[in-house]
Amino acid sequence: AQTVTQSQPEMSVQEAETVTLSCTYDTSESDYYLFWYKQPPSRQMILVIRQEAYKQQNATENRFSVNFQKAAKSFSLKISDSQLGDAAMYFCAYRSAGGNEKLTFGTGTRLTIIP
Amino acid sequence: DVKVTQSSRYLVKRTGEKVFLECVQDMDHENMFWYRQDPGLGLRLIYFSYDVKMKEKGDIPEGYSVSREKKERFSLILESASTNQTSMYLCASSLGWDGVNTEAFFGQGTRLTVV
Repeated sequence: AQTVTQSQPEMSVQEAETVTLSCTYDTSESDYYLFWYKQPPSRQMILVIRQEAYKQQNATENRFSVNFQKAAKSFSLKISDSQLGDAAMYFCAYRSAGGNEKLTFGTGTRLTIIP
Repeated sequence: DVKVTQSSRYLVKRTGEKVFLECVQDMDHENMFWYRQDPGLGLRLIYFSYDVKMKEKGDIPEGYSVSREKKERFSLILESASTNQTSMYLCASSLGWDGVNTEAFFGQGTRLTVV
């Protein structure tokens, strides 16, 4: 079975600064997908960014980027120019490439933005 | 936009009651999921369904059952609610195409309190 570990229960960053959230995972599969989801106080889970394991290039979405290290099984999220609206719980998630699309989540990191 | 709607945002039930949590999606998705979210534990999969009347157990199915009579609707049933089922429940759906990295879309969550 796959596991996802987020070792930082809480993080804080000054507004406009850069912060990196860590995620490691364990799997014996070679093909899979990785995701970062954001859950603001409204509780609506929103996809931030996704990465296919077969792609060497790190995914980027505006101010959000990942550092995907397949050999190390590491998938960190970098948020640049942090904004107050980035305050949320962030969950790292794993999904096998085939099959039923169920997600395995980490325990989450609560990100606070300091004005 | 895909919309996943859960019938209640907040619910208070008594111990021993039979509880129904309803979820409806409007994008003809094949897969639907029920997750439970607890602080420090992240999201854990209770049940999922990949087709009408088809279901599979997730990681924590004990004390729960599900029903999917129509493609757009997936119900989570607590046969006899207990206080340890007090939690946030999240419904999700995804397209269900093999080999395609489709994202999961989430409802806004139901916070269930069993007293």
